[in-house]
Amino acid sequence: QKEVEQDPGPLSVPEGAIVSLNCTYSNSAFQYFMWYRQYSRKGPELLMYTYSSGNKEDGRFTAQVDKSSKYISLFIRDSQPSDSATYLCAMSIIQGAQKLVFGQGTRLTINP
Amino acid sequence: DTEVTQTPKHLVMGMTNKKSLKCEQHMGHRAMYWYKQKAKKPPELMFVYSYEKLSINESVPSRFSPECPNSSLLNLHLHALQPEDSALYLCASSQFILAGGYEQYFGPGTRLTVT
Repeated sequence: QKEVEQDPGPLSVPEGAIVSLNCTYSNSAFQYFMWYRQYSRKGPELLMYTYSSGNKEDGRFTAQVDKSSKYISLFIRDSQPSDSATYLCAMSIIQGAQKLVFGQGTRLTINP
Repeated sequence: DTEVTQTPKHLVMGMTNKKSLKCEQHMGHRAMYWYKQKAKKPPELMFVYSYEKLSINESVPSRFSPECPNSSLLNLHLHALQPEDSALYLCASSQFILAGGYEQYFGPGTRLTVT
């Protein structure tokens, strides 16, 4: 079993829809959670990061962490065609050297 | 400014060539990373430098040789690569890793093709 599970999709939704992307993890020591957006042939772009359970909002994006269920989510409101990309969740143990463990990435397409 | 720059953008090299990838950040970050990413896969960690010292080497073959000349620069020297080493090579940086600021900022990558 992988430490971080993420449905690779592809996920296709109409413009304006609310998108929900999710990851589950097995290692309860993970404490720092990140979401990256990666366009084709580009480097990952940090969208959101959070430490601890709860919600964090930034514009149309909301990151949610539920440590009791080992489940994190990213919600995109009013989705736009420019949101079409691969979304990667990543997490780490805050101890010593920093190693990110990534999910497989979900490929998202927003249809006009 | 959260910019990490990488040069070159693209690189084609033969199996007997020696080349170098360069990464630069001016955010005052003290941890820098090299990742390798194959198509439709997540980034795979290769090396971590913290305070200019190599702290993690993920059992990477010796044909990849990292170097951190100063706190803003990171190089990856390549020699005698194999075609299977063709990939997107990503550099990332983060703040002092023992005092918060664990989020990593990635550069645009160097797309490497080994012929």
